[in-house]
Amino acid sequence: EVQLVESGGGLVQPGRSMKLSCAASGFTFSNYGMAWVRQAPTKGLEWVATISYDGSSTYYRDSVKGRFTISRDNAKSTLYLQMNSLRSEDTATYYCTRDRGYGFFDYWGQGVMVTVSS
Amino acid sequence: DIQMTQSPASLSASLGETVTIECRASEDIYNGLAWYQQKPGKSPQLLIYNANSLHTGVPSRFSGSGSGTQYSLKINSLQSEDVASYFCQQYYDYPYTFGAGTKLELK
Repeated sequence: EVQLVESGGGLVQPGRSMKLSCAASGFTFSNYGMAWVRQAPTKGLEWVATISYDGSSTYYRDSVKGRFTISRDNAKSTLYLQMNSLRSEDTATYYCTRDRGYGFFDYWGQGVMVTVSS
Repeated sequence: DIQMTQSPASLSASLGETVTIECRASEDIYNGLAWYQQKPGKSPQLLIYNANSLHTGVPSRFSGSGSGTQYSLKINSLQSEDVASYFCQQYYDYPYTFGAGTKLELK
């Protein structure tokens, strides 16, 4: 059974940093691209970043480019999202997702809440 | 960026009814479209990919169609467990973008 379990969220002040982790199991992690998708409270879904299966390629939405870094450790089957210079508009539930290889997401984690507030 | 316009924003339907949700892309996305279902308090789940391919385990009452810039999700014989929000997503080009969602309720 595919499982994606996020951790690392919480309350953080504007301008500070936070790192999210996603532990994957139930599939060969190193064979799949992975992505983060977020959802602000009572809002829609927003793609944040994608990383290729081997970590050689990364893609970001413009609003997080230069502030967020997506990475992975295939030996640990873990995906990361380093978030720096956080803003109030980054407040959202962040989902770890598996990319089927074409850009759609066939499995999602339970989500982790990130609140950026002073 | 490719804009995804989803309609309607909300929908009320009766058990057993057939419902259709539409998604229009601001440019041709060459069937690079997925549909997701999100139940209250839960994570989204993939229903349809490549505009018309049913994801593993999804009931056959769900179907997708369309091409070019116009796509739709149809739910036949609506069941109580189908009460949820539905989102379309284009993955033809970065940044991947989602529709604003359709909230489906029972009448």
